Amino acid sequence: NAGVTQTPKFQVLKTGQSMTLQCAQDMNHEYMSWYRQDPGMGLRLIHYSVGAGITDQGEVPNGYNVSRSTTEDFPLRLLSAAPSQTSVYFCASSYSWTNANTGELFFGEGSRLTVL
Amino acid sequence: TQLLEQSPQFLSIQEGENLTVYCNSSSVFSSLQWYRQEPGEGPVLLVTVVTGGEVKKLKRLTFQFGDARKDSSLHITAAQPGDTGLYLCAGQIGANNLFFGTGTRLTVIP
Repeated sequence: NAGVTQTPKFQVLKTGQSMTLQCAQDMNHEYMSWYRQDPGMGLRLIHYSVGAGITDQGEVPNGYNVSRSTTEDFPLRLLSAAPSQTSVYFCASSYSWTNANTGELFFGEGSRLTVL
Repeated sequence: TQLLEQSPQFLSIQEGENLTVYCNSSSVFSSLQWYRQEPGEGPVLLVTVVTGGEVKKLKRLTFQFGDARKDSSLHITAAQPGDTGLYLCAGQIGANNLFFGTGTRLTVIP
């Protein structure tokens, strides 16, 4: 019963470095998303995907790239890290996401990223 | 500017007290969810409300969706230390977007 698995849990980067946050789910969920959580800001949507091969931008997409080559995996890439990207990142998935389906979001445990 | 504003931002109460947390917006939501998050973990869904005026109860927690579907409240009766955590409301607009509130961090003191 793994659910949503995120790696790494902690990462320290220097400004300008690149990295990928991994997210995998084993529930055959169509919908996957990435959020960042900052104090006093709640969770803000970065990118999301409604199925393999389909991705779209959320509220705060700048500086991040995603791809969805399989149903299970949804990696988040930081091409050139900046201190403003210091945050806790959460991956979440849901069976589907439509107006008719108020699907529950299942979250991973989070990845804490610090950019120096 | 946050789409969903929660109040209060922080709340510290004694065990056994009652409390209400509010989630407000100027937007109309097709549904609204409440999540609880504990340190080092991701949020976990508590409830989903979809109909204006809807009230749902989960043991000592009572959730209400506003008549106009722009706001919601969470009332906890006789709070317990196990209720400590970050409470997040999240509203759905359109087919694919869920917007989260700013959160209320609750501490229940034994």
